[in-house]
Formats: sequence, C-alpha cells, structure tokens
Amino acid sequence: QQQVKQSPQSLIVQKGGISIINCAYENTAFDYFPWYQQFPGKGPALLIAIRPDVSEKKEGRFTISFNKSAKQFSLHIMDSQPGDSATYFCAARRSNDYKLSFGAGTTVTVRA
Amino acid sequence: KAGVTQTPRYLIKTRGQQVTLSCSPISGHRSVSWYQQTPGQGLQFLFEYFSETQRNKGNFPGRFSGRQFSNSRSEMNVSTLELGDSALYLCASTTNGQDGYTFGSGTRLTVV
Repeated sequence: QQQVKQSPQSLIVQKGGISIINCAYENTAFDYFPWYQQFPGKGPALLIAIRPDVSEKKEGRFTISFNKSAKQFSLHIMDSQPGDSATYFCAARRSNDYKLSFGAGTTVTVRA
Repeated sequence: KAGVTQTPRYLIKTRGQQVTLSCSPISGHRSVSWYQQTPGQGLQFLFEYFSETQRNKGNFPGRFSGRQFSNSRSEMNVSTLELGDSALYLCASTTNGQDGYTFGSGTRLTVV
C-alpha cells in the first residue's frame, strides 16, 4: 500500500520550462517531507525538504509547495535544464519512528 | 566528509544462494536504513538499525535480515535467493532520523 501517491509517472519539458510533480498523503503522523533526485546508477540524493508548518520553501530553481489541509505537496523546477533530467521521488517521514515512505517516482526529461 | 559507502557495487548470484551486502554510514551517523529498489515496486523499506538495534522493519520475508555493528556499519543478508530479489539495494544513513537521510550508490544484485 503506497502511503505517498506521486504523479505524474513521467514528464517531458522543454529547456527553460517548468516541471511540476505532485504528491499526496493520508497519514497525519508525517512531519517531514523531502524530495530526492536520482540519476541512473546512483542513489537518491536529497534535493529539498519541508516541514508542515511552512507552506513554501525555495532553494535555487527548486520550490516545494505544501498544503497541509489538503495533505498535498509539490515540487516545482523552474527554468528546467537538461542536467535536471532524472527521476524525482517525494517522501514523507513518520514523526514517531522516523520511517520514510517514498512515492513511486517521476522521470523528468528536459529537452534542449 | 566521506559519504555512505556500499560494497560491493555489483553482484551476480545463483538462485538458492545467500548474499551479504555491506554499508558504511557517514561518520557520526548512528541510523542506517536499507531499501530495495526495483522498476516495478519502486523504493521499498527493508529495515532500519539505530545503535545496533533494529528500530523499524518493512514487509519483507524473513529471508531478509540485517545487523549493525558498534561502529554503525551495517550488513544485510538475503538467504535462499530468488529471481525476484534482483534489485538495487540502497543504504541510507542519518544521525538519529530527525534530519535528512544520505543514500549510498547501492549494490546492484542480479540473481540468475
């Protein structure tokens, strides 16, 4: 049972465009929501994370938007570059035991 | 500072054999988690060790086991390998679970 639902499964965006990935969760015990970026042959790398008391967090071209009442959060990649082509995973961590649950992943392809 | 180191990077085993994978966490990190990554199932949580004790366990059969040593290094063992165990096995470490997890590059296990 997927505790974190992620969409879309894949997306293609032109260079300079905006990539948007959405995630939804049900468990109100989650208290930390990271996004990971994974390139082929590598492990996931932490990209940006947010806690539920904040509605938005921006780091460079990457922004997380968080809607606590809707139990949804999303990643926006602004000015997408070919080097951003990777698989992105959202995740949620339980507050009582710190266990991370991952979304199914979104493969982003940025066309030059 | 050195990252999370997983060895070996690649393994080919025969069905029915057993395998041991190793993970050296970032210095000072006491929590080590293991994940199985496959194209069909995504990132699935296996177990987490903190200070040599298993703190969390995922929904995997008993053929999957792990342990953590006093220096925080961790091993996972899979006995009686099945073809379906072919996957990328990822290890992630964190200080105590309250901050972000850092992943290793994984061990690619192929069962033939």
